[in-house]
Amino acid sequence: AQSVTQLGSHVSVSEGALVLLRCNYSSSVPPYLFWYVQYPNQGLQLLLKYTSAATLVKGINGFEAEFKKSETSFHLTKPSAHMSDAAEYFCAVSDRPGGSYIPTFGRGTSLIVHP
Amino acid sequence: DAGVTQSPTHLIKTRGQQVTLRCSPISGHKSVSWYQQVLGQGPQFIFQYYEKEERGRGNFPDRFSARQFPNYSSELNVNALLLGDSALYLCASRSVASTDTQYFGPGTRLTVL
Repeated sequence: AQSVTQLGSHVSVSEGALVLLRCNYSSSVPPYLFWYVQYPNQGLQLLLKYTSAATLVKGINGFEAEFKKSETSFHLTKPSAHMSDAAEYFCAVSDRPGGSYIPTFGRGTSLIVHP
Repeated sequence: DAGVTQSPTHLIKTRGQQVTLRCSPISGHKSVSWYQQVLGQGPQFIFQYYEKEERGRGNFPDRFSARQFPNYSSELNVNALLLGDSALYLCASRSVASTDTQYFGPGTRLTVL
């Protein structure tokens, strides 16, 4: 069984400040980990993924995440927030039973960026 | 290339009715998955299809069914609608070459009154 916990349903930052969105996972096998972003009234867009290669993963729009096995974490960061980063962010974990790659999503964190 | 497309974008139904949602994957993608996203929560997996065969099913009642056509498009059907079925229904496709990466459509917003 696999699960994801996203700490904080809402995170508020000022424009230019560091963004940190937290994700902890549970998986019985080495996980595949993902961060998605969802803008209002849109589908999900993949930001980045970890698939057992480098533990520090760089994604689109300046985001990156670090896989820490000892902490079962995959936190998302961005050095400087932009107003356009305001959106809902989802962390997801999947294993590979039979090659299906079916992800389990967290409840999401809403990022609010203040001018 | 066009992304994943879904139709309709919005839908309003009443309890007990039936609904059909449609999805066209990215060209060349043979796998389609369906997700339900209730307001304030993350997407929940409903079905996965590959080459017209069901490859996975989430914890949803039998009122939910789906199929995939020879052109790899897909339909999700929900019978006997309940108020709790109100949600954003997302379709995602993936290619054989990159099976760990899904591409999501914009979703269909279903409201059940």
